[in-house]
Amino acid sequence: GAVVSQHPSWVICKSGTSVKIECRSLDFQATTMFWYRQFPKQSLMLMATSNEGSKATYEQGVEKDKFLINHASLTLSTLTVTSAHPEDSSFYICSAEAGGPTDTQYFGPGTRLTVL
Amino acid sequence: RKEVEQDPGPFNVPEGATVAFNCTYSNSASQSFFWYRQDCRKEPKLLMSVYSSGNEDGRFTAQLNRASQYISLLIRDSKLSDSATYLCVVNGPLKLSFGAGTTVTVRA
Repeated sequence: GAVVSQHPSWVICKSGTSVKIECRSLDFQATTMFWYRQFPKQSLMLMATSNEGSKATYEQGVEKDKFLINHASLTLSTLTVTSAHPEDSSFYICSAEAGGPTDTQYFGPGTRLTVL
Repeated sequence: RKEVEQDPGPFNVPEGATVAFNCTYSNSASQSFFWYRQDCRKEPKLLMSVYSSGNEDGRFTAQLNRASQYISLLIRDSKLSDSATYLCVVNGPLKLSFGAGTTVTVRA
């Protein structure tokens, strides 16, 4: 199946710093990638839809100036959490749409962010 | 009302047992349905798509009931390795919607 990688897999940072997370589709091109956040024992919540070469579409309640998304190529999207605070601590997961009739999304392994 | 709702469980079953659970969705226009499996602190992995006629993949059987707007997953002959959280995923008009997951624990 399609493979999506994420880097880093975990990060611990001080409050106020910015953290960049990369999401790559390794064996396919993804015009659309998605960024999710998951808090413990909760479902994945879509933060934004990232389209290659255009601005991301953010879900209601997600601050676009805080969560900067760049989708510069068909295989790479980045999420930057700017001025991170402890409440931003979460599991961030990206996914990429492999295309085709089933709209299957393949998920990256996730990035666990802990803000101290 | 949430777009996708699931019984959180947990369902604690012995090895070899059959376990089944449902998921309801609110958008009647939804077209694609999936079951994903998520292990603790890991990303979701696609378990199976759910087709209108129902489908089976080994010990896993998925059913779709459009009239009542629910999908189901049945696991036969449970293995210890089936212990996980099972996410119901529904493709809405613009995005995928995820249930919060049903936790299944298979004990020896």
